[in-house]
Amino acid sequence: EDQVTQSPEALRLQEGESSSLNCSYTVSGLRGLFWYRQDPGKGPEFLFTLYSAGEEKEKERLKATLTKKESFLHITAPKPEDSATYLCAVRLWGAGSYQLTFGKGTKLSVIP
Amino acid sequence: DGGITQSPKYLFRKEGQNVTLSCEQNLNHDAMYWYRQDPGQGLRLIYYSQIVNDFQKGDIAEGYSVSREKKESFPLTVTSAQKNPTAFYLCASSPLGLTNEKLFFGSGTQLSVL
Repeated sequence: EDQVTQSPEALRLQEGESSSLNCSYTVSGLRGLFWYRQDPGKGPEFLFTLYSAGEEKEKERLKATLTKKESFLHITAPKPEDSATYLCAVRLWGAGSYQLTFGKGTKLSVIP
Repeated sequence: DGGITQSPKYLFRKEGQNVTLSCEQNLNHDAMYWYRQDPGQGLRLIYYSQIVNDFQKGDIAEGYSVSREKKESFPLTVTSAQKNPTAFYLCASSPLGLTNEKLFFGSGTQLSVL
């Protein structure tokens, strides 16, 4: 059973069409939830870390929010350069706290 | 500029051959990691190291080996025992501690089997 589930798997948006990506997790003892952006053939690039329910962080057109069971990455008025795969990952307290457990990602395509 | 350098960008392995992927960082990070990425799959941890001369297996260590002789370097060897090695391999590093937990990733190595 996947501990981190991202939806949708793929999303196509028109330029300027706002939407949200979802990351749900079934683990307990969340130490942190991470969002990364990955371009094709490159390594993931860090976007945000969220630590507690109710926390929000923003960067340009992106805003990440966290509840007790899921996180959303809101994209406002996206541009073609926002096209990428967005990865969510969790880190737990206790044994295994060294490890980030990743979801499979959401591939976002923004059409001009 | 500080960062993580992975080489080569592309690597081809013949059957029965061992190959080594290089990872070097100049961020002065204590922890280093190797992840494997397959199409449609999440990143999976192969090995990690928190200190020189010490490393631990991750979820999918079988068929792989690592060394950590220097703080800056964490090479990964894909052995002939790894029967399905074709994947995108990512090296990462991070400081240790509660306030700086994000991973910094290299640009990856695509390994293919001839």
